[in-house]
Amino acid sequence: LAKTTQPISMDSYEGQEVNITCSHNNIATNDYITWYQQFPSQGPRFIIQGYKTKVTNEVASLFIPADRKSSTLSLPRVSLSDTAVYYCLVGDSHSGGYQKVTFGTGTKLQVIP
Amino acid sequence: DTEVTQTPKHLVMGMTNKKSLKCEQHMGHRAMYWYKQKAKKPPELMFVYSYEKLSINESVPSRFSPECPNSSLLNLHLHALQPEDSALYLCASSQARVNNSPLHFGNGTRLTVT
Repeated sequence: LAKTTQPISMDSYEGQEVNITCSHNNIATNDYITWYQQFPSQGPRFIIQGYKTKVTNEVASLFIPADRKSSTLSLPRVSLSDTAVYYCLVGDSHSGGYQKVTFGTGTKLQVIP
Repeated sequence: DTEVTQTPKHLVMGMTNKKSLKCEQHMGHRAMYWYKQKAKKPPELMFVYSYEKLSINESVPSRFSPECPNSSLLNLHLHALQPEDSALYLCASSQARVNNSPLHFGNGTRLTVT
C-alpha cells in the first residue's frame, strides 16, 4: 500500500482558502486518492476522491498533478466548523470486493476566528 | 447522523467481562470493517468482511472476535480485554465490487477497560 505524508497540523483564519498537500510517492497505477474529515469522537467522513487532474464537489476541490505523486485538498473560505483532522488515503479496490486502505497520520486543521 | 449505526455509544467493562459491540447498515453494502482508534492517532484496520466472510484479520489478538451474521450486521465480541484496549472502535461499510467505493463510518463505540 502506498504510504502518505501530510503536515501534522495547520492553522487558518476564518474565510481563507486552505490547501492541504499529501505526498504519495509510490502510488500505484490503479490507486485512487481519497480524503476524509474527522471531528472529535466521530467517525471519518468522506470528502472527495480523484484519480488525476482536478475534481470538485460542493465542499472541496482536489488537485492531482500529472505524476500523481502528490495531491492537494482545497477548502474554500473555511469556517470554525471546518476545524477537524483531514486524512489522505491512497488505495485500490481489492479483488475480494473490499477496500484495503490505511490511514496516515492526518492533518489537524485549526480554524481561528 | 450517519447511515452506519453503532451501539452502544459508550461501554465500560472489566477485564473479566464479556461484551459485544454492534454495527448495522442498510445501504446494501457487502463489505464491512472494524477499525480501532486510540486518542490522537489515525484509525487502524482490524478486520474486513466481504459478503459475510472474513477477508482480513490484521493480526488482531483473539480476545477480539468478529462476527457477521448477515449482510446488514457486524458484531465485535470482546473477552478478557486489557486496559490498553481502551479506544474508539469504528465500524465502516462500503459497496463491494465497486471500484474505490468510499467507506461510510459510524460514530464509534468509546470503550473503556478497567
